[in-house]
Amino acid sequence: EIVMTQSPATLSVSPGDKVTLSCRASQSVDSDLLWYRQKPGQAPSLLIHDASTRATGIPARFSGSGSGAEFTLIISSLQSEDFALYYCQQVKNWPWTFGQGTKVEIK
Amino acid sequence: EVQLVESGGGLVQPGGSLRLSCAVSGFTFSTYAMSWVRQAPGKGPEWVSVINDSGSSTYYADSVRGRFTVSRDSAKNTLYLQMNSLRAEDTAIYYCAKSFGEWGLGTLVIVSS
Repeated sequence: EIVMTQSPATLSVSPGDKVTLSCRASQSVDSDLLWYRQKPGQAPSLLIHDASTRATGIPARFSGSGSGAEFTLIISSLQSEDFALYYCQQVKNWPWTFGQGTKVEIK
Repeated sequence: EVQLVESGGGLVQPGGSLRLSCAVSGFTFSTYAMSWVRQAPGKGPEWVSVINDSGSSTYYADSVRGRFTVSRDSAKNTLYLQMNSLRAEDTAIYYCAKSFGEWGLGTLVIVSS
C-alpha cells in the first residue's frame, strides 16, 4: 500500500496569505495525484486532478505541482472559504490512499 | 444534474449487518464505475470499494475485504454496499461516488453496543 504523508499538519495563516501544502508518497505515483478541500460538515470536494489540473469550477488561486513522489498545493491568496482541511490522494495503485490531511486555520 | 443519494445507515451492534443504498440520477449509471468512500469521525477519508460499470470487477480495501460486498442494479439505478460482521472501527459516514469529483452527502453508520 502506498503511504501518503502530508505536511504540515496545521497551518495558521491570515486571509490573503499565500500558503503551500506538501504531500509525499512512499513510492512514485507519477502524476496520479488528487487534492481535495473539506469544509466542516461536508464531503471532500475535488480541487486538483492529475497533480496539476484544476477541477471544473475551481478558481485559479489553487495550483498543484509535482510528479513522482513529491507534490505541492499552493493557494495564492486565502479566502474565507479556504480555511478548511486539505487532503491529497494517490490513484496510481489500488488501494487508493489519502494523506492524513492539513488543516488551514485562521491565525 | 448528477445526484447521488445514500440511505440505509443507522445504529447497529458489533457483529451485525447493514445494507447501504445509493440512488443515482442525472447520468447513465450503467456506463460508470462507482465507489464507496468512508470517513470515520475526526479522520481522513478511506476509499472502501470500487465496482466497474458492468459489475464484473470489484475492489476492496483490506480493512473490509471479506466482510463488505459492493453491487449494482442498473435497472434501478442503484449502488449497494452489503456490510457484514460490522466492527466499531466501521463507524463512519459512508459516501457513494461517481468519480473523484462527485460524491453524495453520505449516510452515517454507527457500530456500537
